[in-house]
This record gives sequence, structure tokens and C-alpha cells, in this order.
Amino acid sequence: QVQLQESGPGLVKPSETLSLSCIVSGDSISNYYWSWIRQPAGKGLEWIGRISGTGNTEYNPSLRSRVSMSIDTSKKYFSLKMTSVNAADTALYFCARGLIHEYGGLGWFDPWGQGTLVTVSS
Amino acid sequence: EIVLTQFPGTLSLSPGERATLSCRASQSLRYNFLAWYQHKSGQAPRLLISGAFNRATGIPDRFSGSGSGTDFILTINRLESEDFAVYYCQQYGTSPRTFGQGTKVEIK
Repeated sequence: QVQLQESGPGLVKPSETLSLSCIVSGDSISNYYWSWIRQPAGKGLEWIGRISGTGNTEYNPSLRSRVSMSIDTSKKYFSLKMTSVNAADTALYFCARGLIHEYGGLGWFDPWGQGTLVTVSS
Repeated sequence: EIVLTQFPGTLSLSPGERATLSCRASQSLRYNFLAWYQHKSGQAPRLLISGAFNRATGIPDRFSGSGSGTDFILTINRLESEDFAVYYCQQYGTSPRTFGQGTKVEIK
């Protein structure tokens, strides 16, 4: 059974860089798209981006200039970095396994981690 | 970007009733690439449906998805206490992947 667990600092200062990791257990990390998704308090879900087992990335255009992702298949984890954070980046951050749909693109997400709350505040 | 609009925002129902949740896309979804998730506070969101109507492994058959093009529905027959949660739709036919704002199903 695949399980994902997010980790990282819960508090980040404005203008600094948010760094999160997601450890994957129970399955190979090589054959899927691995995604980050966030949810600001009281708001909906926003897809941040995804990375493949080979390191190929795709980001949401709304965040592309500030986001980068990396993956370590030997240690079975992937990471998110978001630069120049501000209060609007305060959110619950989820990592998730992205399944590949029949035409080869990123499909649905299953499973998800429980999420980690990141607060941007001085 | 495809915008998904879910309605109603909140659905107040009693156990045993049927819930009908709607998700409307701002443009037609390629191949009806739509998923539904259930989310309870403090837990990981749970995949219910992919491809508009394919139930995920382990999902009870009281959950069903239907629709095509721009209009999709998640139906929950005979609500059980564990079904009261927030439900999200998500499209994966076009990038960026987007989610609806959610429908909360609460106990009446």
C-alpha cells in the first residue's frame, strides 16, 4: 500500500524560500507523476506542479516563476521549493501520486499525503 | 485554464438520503477526464472516481459518477455517516490541472 508523508518547516518568513519533502513508501517512485497541491484556509485546492521519476517537471503557470521540484528515486522522496513566499502562500500543502492517463499525461491523484500546514509570517 | 464550478456549495441531508453533487467545466473536458475526491478535515483526500464514472479500488458502489462534456455529477446513494465530508472534482484533460471549489455534504 502506497503511503506519502510530507515534511518541512511549518513557519516561513516572508520573502524566504519554502522547502517541503514527501517520502514515498510501498511502491516504486519511478513510474508515476508526483505532485504538490495546496489549499489555503477556507479555499479550494490548487495544483502546484508535478515531477516524473526521470525528473521531468511541469508547473502551474501561476506559480512557475517561483517553484521548482526535484526527485531522488534512490531515497524515494521528492521535494518542492517555492521562493519569495508571502502571506498568500500560507496553506495546507499536500503531496500526491499522479496516475498517468491513457494518453500519457498527468491524470488523477491517488493516494495523497495528509498534508502539512505552512504559515508565512514574520 | 479550465474553471470547475461545483454546486451546491453545501448540501444538508440526512443519513439514508441521496446526494447529488454537480461539477460544471468552463469548457468541454477532453475524453471526459474528470475525477472526484472526498476530503475530511485532518485526513488525506481520497480518490472516489476517475474518468468521470470509474470507481476507484475499494470505493463502495453507492458512489457513482456520470456526465460528459461540461457537466458532471457525483451521486451518493443511501448516505452513511462516514460520507459527510467535502467533495471536490478535478479535471485532468488540460494543463494546468484544476479543481472545483468543493461541495460540503453535512448532516441535516
